[in-house]
Amino acid sequence: NAGVTQTPKFQVLKTGQSMTLQCAQDMNHNSMYWYRQDPGMGLRLIYYSASEGTTDKGEVPNGYNVSRLNKREFSLRLESAAPSQTSVYFCASSGIAGRRTDTQYFGPGTRLTVL
Amino acid sequence: DQQVKQNSPSLSVQEGRISILNCDYTNSMFDYFLWYKKYPAEGPTFLISISSIKDKNEDGRFTVFLNKSAKHLSLHIVPSQPGDSAVYFCAASIDGQNFVFGPGTRLSVLP
Repeated sequence: NAGVTQTPKFQVLKTGQSMTLQCAQDMNHNSMYWYRQDPGMGLRLIYYSASEGTTDKGEVPNGYNVSRLNKREFSLRLESAAPSQTSVYFCASSGIAGRRTDTQYFGPGTRLTVL
Repeated sequence: DQQVKQNSPSLSVQEGRISILNCDYTNSMFDYFLWYKKYPAEGPTFLISISSIKDKNEDGRFTVFLNKSAKHLSLHIVPSQPGDSAVYFCAASIDGQNFVFGPGTRLSVLP
């Protein structure tokens, strides 16, 4: 099992460009998440999807959109990148139906730089 | 205002000694807590969890203690090994699905 995979690993964008970060999990998890990690800030939740077909905003959703394409895949889109979106982005998944508490499993991250 | 705080950005410990990483939270509704470990250029990996109905949980060299009245938890690593050198994140949850993460503590275990 690959667990949670993310593409690309690295990306450099110019201000105003758009891009989509891809995430896939093969653990049959219901929930998927997108976080960003900035120095001294820990991981902050951007968007999450509690189940296929649903998405909800997290702590820092502005400037992002998401799509839960199917149970396996959850993408994050930056429509018009800004330097403030320079960060490391992590996708995570969790959730076996019926369990109230569950560990989140993380992908390796995408390091994004916006010039 | 951060709901989950890790006030020590870094910690250095001698190999074989105990490492104690601390975490404080402000929201009394949090009732489930996780510790994650993160190596450079990798995603965080789950280490240990604790529910608010317990005050201690042990897994091998790792023990997490929860003091609900003080809104404080700590992670003890005994004995510390060089491979434990990483950033450790504390995370807290109300619903067990969505977590608030602390800023992390970088642990260096010196040989």
